[in-house]
Amino acid sequence: GEDVEQSLFLSVREGDSSVINCTYTDSSSTYLYWYKQEPGAGLQLLTYIFSNMDMKQDQRLTVLLNKKDKHLSLRIADTQTGDSAIYFCAETIMNSGGYQKVTFGTGTKLQVIP
Amino acid sequence: NAGVMQNPRHLVRRRGQEARLRCSPMKGHSHVYWYRQLPEEGLKFMVYLQKENIIDESGMPKERFSAEFPKEGPSILRIQQVVRGDSAAYFCASSLSVPGQMFYGYTFGSGTRLTVV
Repeated sequence: GEDVEQSLFLSVREGDSSVINCTYTDSSSTYLYWYKQEPGAGLQLLTYIFSNMDMKQDQRLTVLLNKKDKHLSLRIADTQTGDSAIYFCAETIMNSGGYQKVTFGTGTKLQVIP
Repeated sequence: NAGVMQNPRHLVRRRGQEARLRCSPMKGHSHVYWYRQLPEEGLKFMVYLQKENIIDESGMPKERFSAEFPKEGPSILRIQQVVRGDSAAYFCASSLSVPGQMFYGYTFGSGTRLTVV
């Protein structure tokens, strides 16, 4: 089945690290993504990881993937007030129709306290 | 190179009216997806279209909702006889994805916020 779960809310102090967690249930996921949604805006692709990777680092962002536990995390180092947003985890599965279907989590609202 | 364009940004409709939401995908993208975001909830898949074809409409309500992506022009999501429960943000995304090839993720529009009064 397809179900992506995230905690709804995370609050951190400016300068600290943020870790946003996600669990998914479909082991055949090919790509997993993190998207960022700022207030009143659409979703912006932050980073993605292929299912055969364990980790991916991109500047302040580190993505960790544990396929055994179906757990994905996004770590933001040195969190800034501009990082305040909703972060969506998403998985991509090649479905029986021959296309890649993306399922999004519920989103985690990150609040950065100055 | 313009991104995904959605209009209008905000739409107010009275109960029973029709709402038409438009989406122009990124240049060169031929795959369009519509999602609905209810207040304090995540994104729910509605429909996936390619030019002139509906590929997957498993997330569309059976009644009042329809979508199209004609050969020319934008994709349209149409909601007939709107009710208060249709109030939400509707997002369109497009992709260059070709089945079996690398998938670079979606490019999202800024959304249309529908309010039914």
